[in-house]
Amino acid sequence: AQSVSQHNHHVILSEAASLELGCNYSYGGTVNLFWYVQYPGQHLQLLLKYFSGDPLVKGIKGFEAEFIKSKFSFNLRKPSVQWSDTAEYFCAVTRSNDYKLSFGAGTTVTVRA
Amino acid sequence: GAVVSQHPSRVICKSGTSVKIECRSLDFQATTMFWYRQFPKQSLMLMATSNEGSKATYEQGVEKDKFLINHASLTLSTLTVTSAHPEDSSFYICSAISSGLSYEQYFGPGTRLTVT
Repeated sequence: AQSVSQHNHHVILSEAASLELGCNYSYGGTVNLFWYVQYPGQHLQLLLKYFSGDPLVKGIKGFEAEFIKSKFSFNLRKPSVQWSDTAEYFCAVTRSNDYKLSFGAGTTVTVRA
Repeated sequence: GAVVSQHPSRVICKSGTSVKIECRSLDFQATTMFWYRQFPKQSLMLMATSNEGSKATYEQGVEKDKFLINHASLTLSTLTVTSAHPEDSSFYICSAISSGLSYEQYFGPGTRLTVT
């Protein structure tokens, strides 16, 4: 079974600071990679996804992630966070040709004004 | 965009009773739906995969007789928690995949179940 590790449980930042959230997975085959965000009281939304091609993926709201195959990593970044980025962030993985998502434990991001 | 709804959003029931949660894809046909459980401040745990017209596939450790899943149409899947107990209290989330799109799941807003 594959597992997904998110390194940070809770990150606290000030507005305009840069954000990077780590994500590693254990599966050795071809994977599809996702980052989801869950704002307080809202449902999960897709931030970005990687299936193939350019390993640097740009998503919504200024987020991007880089797939580094040799490191089994898919870290999420945002150069300058806003207070509205306060949310729970989940990294998730599926095997290629499979729909089943394996989620990381999530990282709570708190942005202070 | 693809929208998934859940009903009810919150439900409180007494121990021993059964509760049904509905998951609907509003503007697309969902050949596959998933049911997840999320504990406070924890990640989503996949409970089962629901395919239209066939039996659900349950993840290891999930009691299929307790969590009954029915996917009767391409837009509706239901999860029934039978003989609920306080330890079943949780946040239940469904997601759906469009038959026309690849590998992206669209999530519902979740249902908060509290068993007293």
